[in-house]
Amino acid sequence: QKEVEQNSGPLSVPEGAIASLNCTYSDRVSQSFFWYRQYSGKSPELIMSIYSNGDKEDGRFTAQLNKASQYVSLLIRDSQPSDSATYLCAVISWGGGNKLTFGTGTQLKVEL
Amino acid sequence: DADVTQTPRNRITKTGKRIMLECSQTKGHDRMYWYRQDPGLGLRLIYYSFDVKDINKGEISDGYSVSRQAQAKFSLSLESAIPNQTALYFCATNGNGERPEAFFGQGTRLTVV
Repeated sequence: QKEVEQNSGPLSVPEGAIASLNCTYSDRVSQSFFWYRQYSGKSPELIMSIYSNGDKEDGRFTAQLNKASQYVSLLIRDSQPSDSATYLCAVISWGGGNKLTFGTGTQLKVEL
Repeated sequence: DADVTQTPRNRITKTGKRIMLECSQTKGHDRMYWYRQDPGLGLRLIYYSFDVKDINKGEISDGYSVSRQAQAKFSLSLESAIPNQTALYFCATNGNGERPEAFFGQGTRLTVV
């Protein structure tokens, strides 16, 4: 079982819609969770970090964490074509040696 | 200037050659990482270091070695490059405090012919 799992996509949404990206993780003692956006050939860029259960909002982005179910999600409201990218979920866990581990990413396409 | 700098940005090398990728950071972080990215495979961890005297293997360390010369510098070496090491390589750094977000270098595109 992979430590961090994501659906590879592509996930296609129309412009203006809500995009929902999901991530599950295997280590119950994970403590830090991140969403990165990566454009093709570029380095990952941090969008959101979340450390406690519940929702965290920042502009059009909302991160949701449910430690009991071991998943973290990212909602993008009013999706724009510029949001088309690969979204990487990352986790730091005590059981994983406290290192930063990434999922394989979900490709998002926002269509006009 | 970028907080995390990788050199070179692009490199073409021949099979069997030794090559070193360098990474330096000005974030003052203790933790540094080297990742490899191939299409459809996400970021795979090669090596990581939590301080100058700490080096750990990641999931794909075979064929690679690293050196942590200082808190701010972490180098990745391919002792004898092979074509399937052609990939995009990223260096990253994060702290171990309340906000352990990672910051990435611009990446090194390595081609082994």
